[in-house]
Amino acid sequence: DTGVSQNPRHKITKRGQNVTFRCDPISEHNRLYWYRQTLGQGPEFLTYFQNEAQLEKSRLLSDRFSAERPKGSFSTLEIQRTEQGDSAMYLCASSLGDMNTGELFFGEGSRLTVL
Amino acid sequence: GDSVTQMEGPVTLSEEAFLTINCTYTATGYPSLFWYVQYPGEGLQLLLKATKADDKGSNKGFEATYRKETTSFHLEKGSVQVSDSAVYFCALSGAGRRALTFGSGTRLQVQP
Repeated sequence: DTGVSQNPRHKITKRGQNVTFRCDPISEHNRLYWYRQTLGQGPEFLTYFQNEAQLEKSRLLSDRFSAERPKGSFSTLEIQRTEQGDSAMYLCASSLGDMNTGELFFGEGSRLTVL
Repeated sequence: GDSVTQMEGPVTLSEEAFLTINCTYTATGYPSLFWYVQYPGEGLQLLLKATKADDKGSNKGFEATYRKETTSFHLEKGSVQVSDSAVYFCALSGAGRRALTFGSGTRLQVQP
């Protein structure tokens, strides 16, 4: 299967620790998105890459969050000094073209629990 | 800013019943509209979309019509199956935006 892959699927950490999530998009997709989803809510946009360039960031992405996509392939999302409010499902999606003409393909998500 | 409002769930139906999930939106300009579905244990996947007013998106027996006058994009299916049990998300992409704005989702449970 060559869908969007996210790791780890579940991370439990203590408040104040740093965590990193990895996303491997579908190989030919040039666009990559990170979303956050909390229980009972829809996904909320965090950031967007076209190839290796980070072109848009939501105001939800505080300075404790950083995302990278070196070489335009996989991406990492790091959260520093985690807080309990960071507990959520972090979703990655990729697409080949513009979302209006193409389609976003989502991974199954990485669930973060901050104790 | 852009926003999407969906009817709250869960929606519980018997197999072969008619389904409507309401979705209304607020956006500047002329957004594109989408329905995404999340089956248990799987990632979200695109169900259907419409990119301009009066367009009808359809897939797997589901339909939704882009109604600009009522700012709505209601999801319908004439006869649901147990396999349709999932969470359904309405979403839009606003003019000049690169990101989707999602509603809060509606859980559908279909009983045999």
